Amino acid sequence: AQTVTQSQPEMSVQEAETVTLSCTYDTSENNYYLFWYKQPPSRQMILVIRQEAYKQQNATENRFSVNFQKAAKSFSLKISDSQLGDTAMYFCAFRNSGGSNYKLTFGKGTLLTVNP
Amino acid sequence: DAGVTQSPTHLIKTRGQQVTLRCSPISGHKSVSWYQQVLGQGPQFIFQYYEKEERGRGNFPDRFSARQFPNYSSELNVNALLLGDSALYLCASSLSAVGLYEQYFGPGTRLTVT
Repeated sequence: AQTVTQSQPEMSVQEAETVTLSCTYDTSENNYYLFWYKQPPSRQMILVIRQEAYKQQNATENRFSVNFQKAAKSFSLKISDSQLGDTAMYFCAFRNSGGSNYKLTFGKGTLLTVNP
Repeated sequence: DAGVTQSPTHLIKTRGQQVTLRCSPISGHKSVSWYQQVLGQGPQFIFQYYEKEERGRGNFPDRFSARQFPNYSSELNVNALLLGDSALYLCASSLSAVGLYEQYFGPGTRLTVT
């Protein structure tokens, strides 16, 4: 079974600064997908960024980028130029790319607070 | 286009009762998944349905059941409610159950069992 670990329950950052959220996972699969989701206080989960395990190039989406280290099973999220609207719970998630069940396995989350 | 919608928003039930939660996927989406999110934890997978068939089930007791209708909307039923069933129940829809299709989440139903 796959597991996802987020070792930072809470983090804070000053507006305009850069912050990195950590995530490690455990799997015996070779092909899979990794995701970072954001859950603001309004509760609706939003996809931030995703990475396909077979791609060596790290994914980027505007101010968000990942550091994907497949051998180390590490998948960290870097947020540059932090904004107040980035305040939210951030969840790292894993999904197999094969089989008939495409469930997401989530970590426990990191609460990020961006301070003015 | 409307996003994933869920009803009701909030629900309070008593131990032993039964509850039905509803989810309408984004138009054109044929896959619906259900997740339970206990306060302070990440979501836990309950069910996935695709084309009205169950495609996956998480580690939940038989008190939990679900179905998907011809219009791809879905219901999650929980019988014999326990205090531990108190949680935010999230529904997610996607175009398909295969490939790298994004799952879009609804706002959730907050269930409180007293």
